[in-house]
Amino acid sequence: NAGVTQTPKFRILKIGQSMTLQCTQDMNHNYMYWYRQDPGMGLKLIYYSVGAGITDKGEVPNGYNVSRSTTEDFPLRLELAAPSQTSVYFCASSYRSGVRNQETQYFGPGTRLLVL
Amino acid sequence: AQTVTQSQPEMSVQEAETVTLSCTYDTSENNYYLFWYKQPPSRQMILVIRQEAYKQQNATENRFSVNFQKAAKSFSLKISDSQLGDTAMYFCAFMKHVDSRLTFGEGTQLTVNP
Repeated sequence: NAGVTQTPKFRILKIGQSMTLQCTQDMNHNYMYWYRQDPGMGLKLIYYSVGAGITDKGEVPNGYNVSRSTTEDFPLRLELAAPSQTSVYFCASSYRSGVRNQETQYFGPGTRLLVL
Repeated sequence: AQTVTQSQPEMSVQEAETVTLSCTYDTSENNYYLFWYKQPPSRQMILVIRQEAYKQQNATENRFSVNFQKAAKSFSLKISDSQLGDTAMYFCAFMKHVDSRLTFGEGTQLTVNP
């Protein structure tokens, strides 16, 4: 299993440009998450999904959009990039059910985004 | 809302010695999980240890153990026999039992010196 994979690893955007950060997991996890990590800080939740077709906002959703059309994929869309979105973005996944919960979140390697 | 506080931005320890990282949290929940994640220079987030709040016994994973004090809302990480590879940023994180979202502290940068 590759676990959680993210592309690209690094990207430079100009102010006002848009892009999509890709995230894929092959662990058949139903829950997926997007976090951002600003320099010297902890991670903050942007959006999360409890299954295909269901998404919800986290702590810092402004400026981002997500979709979840399949169990495996959870792309994060940045519209009209701003310097404040310069950060490292992490995707994560976990399995949760009424019978068996695995509360551990498994993280991808991160995408470093620089908006100039 | 939950908050997680790590009051030690940086710590250092000599190789083979023991170090303790502090974490406190604030919540009104009774059922929850606590985690320590390690982030080495590669930036990969790696789970170190987890604790379920309803378990009184402190979790251990090889050289890593926690001191979980539920009444005090404290969750410290002890690293024994520190190794150079333990050099990393360590994050404490909280998760409500009914909710899968993690709330992170701001991290402690640990440096293990030879």
